[in-house]
Amino acid sequence: AQKVTQAQTEISVVEKEDVTLDCVYETRDTTYYLFWYKQPPSGELVFLIRRNSFDEQNEISGRYSWNFQKSTSSFNFTITASQVVDSAVYFCALSGAAGGTSYGKLTFGQGTILTVHP
Amino acid sequence: ETGVTQTPRHLVMGMTNKKSLKCEQHLGHNAMYWYKQSAKKPLELMFVYSLEERVENNSVPSRFSPECPNSSHLFLHLHTLQPEDSALYLCASSPSLRSYNEQFFGPGTRLTVL
Repeated sequence: AQKVTQAQTEISVVEKEDVTLDCVYETRDTTYYLFWYKQPPSGELVFLIRRNSFDEQNEISGRYSWNFQKSTSSFNFTITASQVVDSAVYFCALSGAAGGTSYGKLTFGQGTILTVHP
Repeated sequence: ETGVTQTPRHLVMGMTNKKSLKCEQHLGHNAMYWYKQSAKKPLELMFVYSLEERVENNSVPSRFSPECPNSSHLFLHLHTLQPEDSALYLCASSPSLRSYNEQFFGPGTRLTVL
């Protein structure tokens, strides 16, 4: 069975602070994919990034960066110099290898509510 | 329209009503999904369709009935719902069921059952 844990339910920061959202996962698949989604107040989840289990390189996209560590089963997300527009719920998700029982099924974490104050 | 659209955006219904939620994707994708998002709970996958065939029914009560007439449209028919069914219902699509495909989500329908 797959499981994703986002231990931080809510985080509150002041604008320009850096913030890291934690994500820990469990899976028996050797091939799997990890995702981060952002859910702004409008409701729809917006895709941010995908990593596969064979690529542990960290990734940076503007103010966003992701740290994938297979040894600790973690895929953490850091926002540098946070802005008010970053306020949203952030979800980490896991998808197992196609062909198994978990094909393209996404298992989501509980989500972390991020509030950035001006 | 682009992306994934859902109508209505808000719905209030009584327990004896019958209503339907509609989802349409303009992305040329072959897989579509229904999720339920309740307060303080992770997103729950309800149904998965691939090329108009249902491939997953995740132990969803029969008062929820999905329909996928073609790869662009997905419906969720609702009847005799319970107050605990109040939630945000999200539709998503992806190019295929392959695990590496990200899913594209609609804005959701906020359902309130009185």
